[in-house]
Amino acid sequence: GQNIDQPTEMTATEGAIVQINCTYQTSGFNGLFWYQQHAGEAPTFLSYNVLDGLEEKGRFSSFLSRSKGYSYLLLKELQMKDSASYLCALRGFKTIFGAGTRLFVKA
Amino acid sequence: DVKVTQSSRYLVKRTGEKVFLECVQDMDHENMFWYRQDPGLGLRLIYFSYDVKMKEKGDIPEGYSVSREKKERFSLILESASTNQTSMYLCASSSTGVSTDTQYFGPGTRLTVL
Repeated sequence: GQNIDQPTEMTATEGAIVQINCTYQTSGFNGLFWYQQHAGEAPTFLSYNVLDGLEEKGRFSSFLSRSKGYSYLLLKELQMKDSASYLCALRGFKTIFGAGTRLFVKA
Repeated sequence: DVKVTQSSRYLVKRTGEKVFLECVQDMDHENMFWYRQDPGLGLRLIYFSYDVKMKEKGDIPEGYSVSREKKERFSLILESASTNQTSMYLCASSSTGVSTDTQYFGPGTRLTVL
């Protein structure tokens, strides 16, 4: 089976850097997604990691280590609009989502 | 841009009523999905479909059924709504031909069953 764990909530300051972790236990998967979801809105795609290592995309980066069962999303130069939930998801035959991490960015 | 639309943003129904939630996508995607999202539980897959008239059970199919008569439309049916089906329902679609298989989500329907 697949089990995905993320912290429930995090708080960070505007302009800072924050790392949102995702750990999982699974027998196998194709890749790992990160989605962003603002309150009351649909999730939107941020990144997809297949290989181990860091994928950088502007202010957002995502890291995957298959051997450690671990991924993180790194957000730099935080802005107020980054306040949202961040969902980690494993892609296999089905895509399995974690419960998400609610990030609060304060001034 | 991919557009996934859902028939209602908010819906209030009574226990025992039959409820239809409609989802339409305009990008000719093969795959369509229905999830429900509850606080602390994340997105849970109810049903999905890889082709017209084809359906597969997800992780929590009990109390739900689906219909996919046309490629662009995927309907979720609650045969007899119950209060524990009060939730946010999200539809998504994706293309088999794209390596990332990214799912594009609709805006969601917040269903309240009284």
